[in-house]
Amino acid sequence: GDSVTQMEGPVTLSEEAFLTINCTYTATGYPSLFWYVQYPGEGLQLLLKATKADDKGSNKGFEATYRKETTSFHLEKGSVQVSDSAVYFCALNYGNNRLAFGKGNQVVVIP
Amino acid sequence: DVKVTQSSRYLVKRTGEKVFLECVQDMDHENMFWYRQDPGLGLRLIYFSYDVKMKEKGDIPEGYSVSREKKERFSLILESASTNQTSMYLCASSFSGVGNIQYFGAGTRLSVL
Repeated sequence: GDSVTQMEGPVTLSEEAFLTINCTYTATGYPSLFWYVQYPGEGLQLLLKATKADDKGSNKGFEATYRKETTSFHLEKGSVQVSDSAVYFCALNYGNNRLAFGKGNQVVVIP
Repeated sequence: DVKVTQSSRYLVKRTGEKVFLECVQDMDHENMFWYRQDPGLGLRLIYFSYDVKMKEKGDIPEGYSVSREKKERFSLILESASTNQTSMYLCASSFSGVGNIQYFGAGTRLSVL
């Protein structure tokens, strides 16, 4: 079935470093793709989305491009801050309004 | 702002108890969802409702049931709680339609002793 795979393991980096979190997907059709973020002690909130191939979603300095040829939706930010420390989930929309989530990546930004 | 409110942030229950987790949304969304979140497993869908009194099983419905008597409220019921149901439970809601955003509550951390 439709699914999302995120790179394994937490990500630790220094403030102002470049962040990339990899996400690839498997889908029978052309799903919408999402990145959600979960700050400590909170629920998930939408970070950005893209609904068709070559769309770029962006928000708060984060970007991700829907790449149909590589079935990917990698998240990037050029210069992270301590406040970006959170768990990041990639997701795709399938079936009747459902979302399939990746396992999430814990990002820790050190001052 | 969309608001999804879960009735409890933390709950501690005993094995065998019947447990109710409540979720209310204020945006007139058709769809409501219950997930559980476990370390290393991400979010897994338990149940989904697309209208009042309508429901669909998700990926892990065993040991759970749901109730949606009003559009704004979606309840998750653990008929007889077990220790393997200790987890973080997240409720979400959305409008119908492809690509619509799901809005999440803050979560309920349930411990079953």
